[in-house]
Amino acid sequence: DAGITQSPRHKVTETGTPVTLRCHQTENHRYMYWYRQDPGHGLRLIHYSYGVKDTDKGEVSDGYSVSRSKTEDFLLTLESATSSQTSVYFCAISDFTGNEQFFGPGTRLTVL
Amino acid sequence: KQEVTQIPAALSVPEGENLVLNCSFTDSAIYNLQWFRQDPGKGLTSLLLIQSSQREQTSGRLNASLDKSSGRSTLYIAASQPGDSATYLCAVRDSTGNQFYFGTGTSLTVIP
Repeated sequence: DAGITQSPRHKVTETGTPVTLRCHQTENHRYMYWYRQDPGHGLRLIHYSYGVKDTDKGEVSDGYSVSRSKTEDFLLTLESATSSQTSVYFCAISDFTGNEQFFGPGTRLTVL
Repeated sequence: KQEVTQIPAALSVPEGENLVLNCSFTDSAIYNLQWFRQDPGKGLTSLLLIQSSQREQTSGRLNASLDKSSGRSTLYIAASQPGDSATYLCAVRDSTGNQFYFGTGTSLTVIP
């Protein structure tokens, strides 16, 4: 299995609070991705990174920001969490543009 | 915007049966297509990756085909086993290589 960890694995928070999710990889892969998975929608790309300090938006980026200060870490921040951001969040990595993505175990976030 | 559809949403088969899962996409200008399996409460496991220039890929009892012009991919599972029970997802990488679109998956149950 690709060395990808996500923390925390579960989090319950209240509307309006900031939340940061962390993805850590030990594979030294260049590309990192954040997705959310919701019933009826499948997985949707939030943001991705193609190198340290290089990030771009995905399909559903509103309300989310990301940062990548080291190759191994990709952070997803919800500046002010809303109930619509209750979801399961997955991180993925890839070494080259055309290669496979490998996924982390996911973080279940509940916003009350 | 790329739309990815997987039909059927759920499938139940007896052990030993050969089966086909379908994935269709609306924009044929893709970079590649990847098949995953997801077990309940878990992350995604990569099964097969087909580049846009390829017609099929095989791994063990799995064979994935791609017909880019018609916007279709199929995942063939030979001699199904109860351990194959999971949700199977297809994902299309768009022609820029930077955006991914997932189907909502086919939930497979293999009955012993």
